[in-house]
Amino acid sequence: AQSVTQLDSQVPVFEEAPVELRCNYSSSVSVYLFWYVQYPNQGLQLLLKYLSGSTLVKSINGFEAEFNKSQTSFHLRKPSVHISDTAEYFCAVSEFNQGGKLIFGQGTELSVKP
Amino acid sequence: DAGVIQSPRHEVTEMGQEVTLRCKPISGHNSLFWYRQTMMRGLELLIYFNNNVPIDDSGMPEDRFSAKMPNASFSTLKIQPSEPRDSAVYFCASSHRDLGNTIYFGEGSWLTVV
Repeated sequence: AQSVTQLDSQVPVFEEAPVELRCNYSSSVSVYLFWYVQYPNQGLQLLLKYLSGSTLVKSINGFEAEFNKSQTSFHLRKPSVHISDTAEYFCAVSEFNQGGKLIFGQGTELSVKP
Repeated sequence: DAGVIQSPRHEVTEMGQEVTLRCKPISGHNSLFWYRQTMMRGLELLIYFNNNVPIDDSGMPEDRFSAKMPNASFSTLKIQPSEPRDSAVYFCASSHRDLGNTIYFGEGSWLTVV
């Protein structure tokens, strides 16, 4: 069975600093990988995804994630964070031919301080 | 286009009462998911449907929970009788297999059972 581990439950950083949110997954078959963001008291929004092709994927607001098959990782990075990036970030995995069922990690709370 | 629509957004009910949560998926999507989010357990997949048929309900906590999808544009999640430990945010989400398995979430139904 697939699983997702987000190694850090909380990541405090200062504004304009770089950040990396770590995600590792376990699966016996090929997978799709996703990062979702949840702002306080809101639903989940898709941030970026890896389906196939280039292992480096980017979002419109400066985040990027790289699929590393050998290390079964999909870490999320941003070179310079803003106060507005404060939110909870969820890594998720979906196996091929599983009807799109997503399994989520426990989430990482990113707190950006001035 | 309208996203996934959930109702009610907020509900407070007394223990023992029946609770019905409703969801309208994105038009054209053929998969629908119900997730539950709590502080203790994070995001849990309760059940999902493909083409209106329940595929995997292994995440449904117990017999008090039931879900239906009578047609492609409507689904319900019912809790009867409700208990305080059911207090959580319940998310409905939908996807279309041909669109890269990306799952789109509703804003959630925030349930409090007192």
